[in-house]
Amino acid sequence: QVQLVQSGAEVKKPGASVRVSCRASGYSFTGYVMHWVRQAPGQRLEWMGWINAGNGNTKYSQKFQGRVTITRGTSASTAYMDLSSLRSEDTAVYFCARAEYSGSLNWFDTWGQGTLVTVSS
Amino acid sequence: DIQMTQSPSSLSASVGDRVTITCRASQSISSYLNWYQQKPGRAPKLLIYAASSLQSGVPSSFSGSGSGTDFTLTISSLQPEDFATYYCQQSYSTPYTFGQGTKLEIK
Repeated sequence: QVQLVQSGAEVKKPGASVRVSCRASGYSFTGYVMHWVRQAPGQRLEWMGWINAGNGNTKYSQKFQGRVTITRGTSASTAYMDLSSLRSEDTAVYFCARAEYSGSLNWFDTWGQGTLVTVSS
Repeated sequence: DIQMTQSPSSLSASVGDRVTITCRASQSISSYLNWYQQKPGRAPKLLIYAASSLQSGVPSSFSGSGSGTDFTLTISSLQPEDFATYYCQQSYSTPYTFGQGTKLEIK
């Protein structure tokens, strides 16, 4: 079955960087776009960006431009999200989500289990 | 950015009730509207995509409607497992944005 498995929880100090991984199985990794979404405690979901797992093209939310980098390793069927210059407001659960498309319509049909990133001095 | 606003923010209902959640976009998004269910400590789960299409495996008690700026999610007969938080999301343009959520609680 289609599955996304993320890396474990992280605790980081302000100013540090974090990498969260998302390993895909059960489908052709390079045939889909992977998105990253985060959720701060008690807050709504917030879209961060996407990567075309086939050609590596990316698009980021302006809010995170310059701090976020999304990459992929095709042999490992894994997407990565790097976030730098961490601050306390980045404390959140980070999700990867596979996008399904029909023409230009798109939706997130499969989600990873989430990775808690805590930023604290 | 397109703003998504849900109403109500919370709702108390009983098993068997029919409930409707509304989502309004700050500009027209055609049918680029998806609905997700999230339970505490879990990832969101897709319920409805493209405004009115039911995701495979989701009970037919869930339905979606609307286009343009106004959308609704309806649960025709609440089951115990339906008590959760529901989010709408627009996929019309980046940054993709979500509503603030509607928490559905047991009365």
